[in-house]
Amino acid sequence: DTAVSQTPKYLVTQMGNDKSIKCEQNLGHDTMYWYKQDSKKFLKIMFSYNNKELIINETVPNRFSPKSPDKAHLNLHINSLELGDSAVYFCASSQGLQSSGNTIYFGEGSWLTVV
Amino acid sequence: KQEVTQIPAALSVPEGENLVLNCSFTDSAIYNLQWFRQDPGKGLTSLLLIQSSQREQTSGRLNASLDKSSGRSTLYIAASQPGDSATYLCAVREVTGKLIFGQGTTLQVKP
Repeated sequence: DTAVSQTPKYLVTQMGNDKSIKCEQNLGHDTMYWYKQDSKKFLKIMFSYNNKELIINETVPNRFSPKSPDKAHLNLHINSLELGDSAVYFCASSQGLQSSGNTIYFGEGSWLTVV
Repeated sequence: KQEVTQIPAALSVPEGENLVLNCSFTDSAIYNLQWFRQDPGKGLTSLLLIQSSQREQTSGRLNASLDKSSGRSTLYIAASQPGDSATYLCAVREVTGKLIFGQGTTLQVKP
């Protein structure tokens, strides 16, 4: 069973469209994240939710809106897609946000290409 | 602001060599440090996690050390194999809970 699963894995869409990426974890964790990996392979946090509550919100355009319907899901909705949004988006989860011993688990990534 | 740097950016070694990957960070106020592996087109796999109170962790041929006061960690890979070829990422977990990543070391182990 996949611990952190995200869909779709690949997404090609036109500028201006609205798209969503879904993420689910079956680890029983209470904290979920979205990370973005740019063309230079640099990974940076975008959002974090703890028990469905937004905890971390980095400087991300408000076209990006995360939604957490329950602890096991954290979806990412992107409005009015721009060319610069092309990247790999990784979902992740962990037990607890501020804890020294908890490993963070990543999904396989969603490759978004905006044309 | 926490910054994580990994050296070298790329490394190519013959099979069987022992090697060391380096990671440095600027703010020692961290909860833990994690080493990940990323294969092309794949997600991240956690290799080792060292808590801030620990000095090292070992898993099979991998050994990671942490010197929090100097802001350094190393990942030691013994008897490297072609299957070890991947990008290795170091990340520190800040007290805010954020995971701050280095840019990775891309390792190629030649048969």
